[in-house]
Amino acid sequence: AQSVTQLGSHVSVSEGALVLLRCNYSSSVPPYLFWYVQYPNQGLQLLLKYTSAATLVKGINGFEAEFKKSETSFHLTKPSAHMSDAAEYFCAVSDRNDKIIFGKGTRLHILP
Amino acid sequence: NAGVMQNPRHLVRRRGQEARLRCSPMKGHSHVYWYRQLPEEGLKFMVYLQKENIIDESGMPKERFSAEFPKEGPSILRIQQVVRGDSAAYFCASSRDTLELNTEAFFGQGTRLTVV
Repeated sequence: AQSVTQLGSHVSVSEGALVLLRCNYSSSVPPYLFWYVQYPNQGLQLLLKYTSAATLVKGINGFEAEFKKSETSFHLTKPSAHMSDAAEYFCAVSDRNDKIIFGKGTRLHILP
Repeated sequence: NAGVMQNPRHLVRRRGQEARLRCSPMKGHSHVYWYRQLPEEGLKFMVYLQKENIIDESGMPKERFSAEFPKEGPSILRIQQVVRGDSAAYFCASSRDTLELNTEAFFGQGTRLTVV
């Protein structure tokens, strides 16, 4: 069975600072891994996904994530936070068969 | 190409009533997934359907909840005799093929159900 753990339900960073959102996964098969962003009262938008190609994945809005099999991690980073990045971020895993399993989410706050 | 359309966006029901949530997948998509999001929680998988078939309903409560995806028309998530604990945001996603084929799942904006 697949599962995802996101460390920190709330993360605050200053505008211009590094964003690091942590995600660890568990999967019995080589997984697909995803990061989604959700703005208030909106649906989920895909930021990036890992599907066993390059381990460093670049997504939209300057975000990227690195797949580390030895650490079972898929942390999301962005070099310089912008006020518009304030949102909730979900890490997710799929075993490729059917469903995507989501973590509980991390709410990112950007401090001026 | 319109995205995944869910309606209504907001739904208020009294305890004991029925709630019907609709999801129109993107054009050309035959796979639909329903998720429920409770406050301060992530999205919990409910059911995965492919035209006229339920593929995986392991996340569906055993009673009162049902889902369908008919040959024509939207997918429907039906909740009978709603209770306050059913209050949540319900999201639908669709994909063109199975995720194994490296396709992307696109999400709708959700239906926020409030049971009073």
